[in-house]
Amino acid sequence: QQQVKQSPQSLIVQKGGISIINCAYENTAFDYFPWYQQFPGKGPALLIAIRPDVSEKKEGRFTISFNKSAKQFSLHIMDSQPGDSATYFCAATFSGYSTLTFGKGTMLLVSP
Amino acid sequence: GAVVSQHPSWVICKSGTSVKIECRSLDFQATTMFWYRQFPKQSLMLMATSNEGSKATYEQGVEKDKFLINHASLTLSTLTVTSAHPEDSSFYICSANPRGGYEQYFGPGTRLTVT
Repeated sequence: QQQVKQSPQSLIVQKGGISIINCAYENTAFDYFPWYQQFPGKGPALLIAIRPDVSEKKEGRFTISFNKSAKQFSLHIMDSQPGDSATYFCAATFSGYSTLTFGKGTMLLVSP
Repeated sequence: GAVVSQHPSWVICKSGTSVKIECRSLDFQATTMFWYRQFPKQSLMLMATSNEGSKATYEQGVEKDKFLINHASLTLSTLTVTSAHPEDSSFYICSANPRGGYEQYFGPGTRLTVT
């Protein structure tokens, strides 16, 4: 019930392409879905987050798509750049419970 | 805004000694702070959750007598690894949850190496 399943485990995208990372959850009580970006040797940084009252949220080149009925959400990175090469984690939590449930992470490599 | 710092960023200690890691929220008050451990190429593993002024809640399998957590104020939490052993070598990361917010902001992490 508490799992968040993330795919793919790793991803190679050409510069300028679109990177897509998917997550699926089971617990319908989840109502906050953040994405974190982590560079090697650094802590995760909050990238973008969505609540289930909207189906899409865009911030610059990063977009979260949310499908409540399918219990899935995804991160799209448009015009991917080598500087986007990092590990991305999806997560979920719900109101009144601050602990995040993380996916296993996706290692993204954007080739020049 | 929403900056979390950790100190030290890396530490090397001898087996059997203790080491303290500090986590501070610099520009907000943190209702709750979290401590994670991360192994190479793996996800974050939650070790414990702490609220200011109360005892930390440890995840199953985490030894509370070995990993002492003190949440002394709304901006400071410390993790002390007692009697450290080489298997405690890892990347320790804290995060902080602002009052009334969902977001968790992470510190830069502390690399602990026990020799």
